[in-house]
Amino acid sequence: GQQVMQIPQYQHVQEGEDFTTYCNSSTTLSNIQWYKQRPGGHPVFLIQLVKSGEVKKQKRLTFQFGEAKKNSSLHITATQTTDVGTYFCAGGLQAGTALIFGKGTTLSVSS
Amino acid sequence: DTAVSQTPKYLVTQMGNDKSIKCEQNLGHDTMYWYKQDSKKFLKIMFSYNNKELIINETVPNRFSPKSPDKAHLNLHINSLELGDSAVYFCASSHRQSYQETQYFGPGTRLLVL
Repeated sequence: GQQVMQIPQYQHVQEGEDFTTYCNSSTTLSNIQWYKQRPGGHPVFLIQLVKSGEVKKQKRLTFQFGEAKKNSSLHITATQTTDVGTYFCAGGLQAGTALIFGKGTTLSVSS
Repeated sequence: DTAVSQTPKYLVTQMGNDKSIKCEQNLGHDTMYWYKQDSKKFLKIMFSYNNKELIINETVPNRFSPKSPDKAHLNLHINSLELGDSAVYFCASSHRQSYQETQYFGPGTRLLVL
């Protein structure tokens, strides 16, 4: 079936280092959403990208949607301990189908 | 006020038992979902309801039966629980049945089958 691949599965960084997670689809996506799940919590919506080549920023977080709308990335600049959690991308394929979630990237940050 | 609520938050039960999880959303959304998250944090959709009508039914054992009495509620009943059913179950809702809609997740129900 349709899949959205996400790498890496785990990433550990020192506080202040940058972090990037990548999301790839074998088919063109209509949109991509990013969610964050804190340890013990539930996924919380961060952002949605719809346009080819789109770049959006939220403070230290930068989200990109590839030109072919098959890949996306989330980059965090100068990580903080509050960034700890699992980041999921979720791709929308076509009307009538559900979002397909990637397997997530779990970020840990040591101070 | 909690937007999407689930009860119970924790559920510990014996293999073979039947249990139910309840979900309610007060956002006025038309669409509700059940997701299963395993120990590796993989988030997999199980069911989707739009205005009380079943829209998506992924490959889930028929021991799992969702029920939507109205569009604000989506409950999940599980028969003959198995060890592999242990996971966190998330309810979610979205404004409409569209892959472009933001999904709002409930706090999760942590199910442990012994």
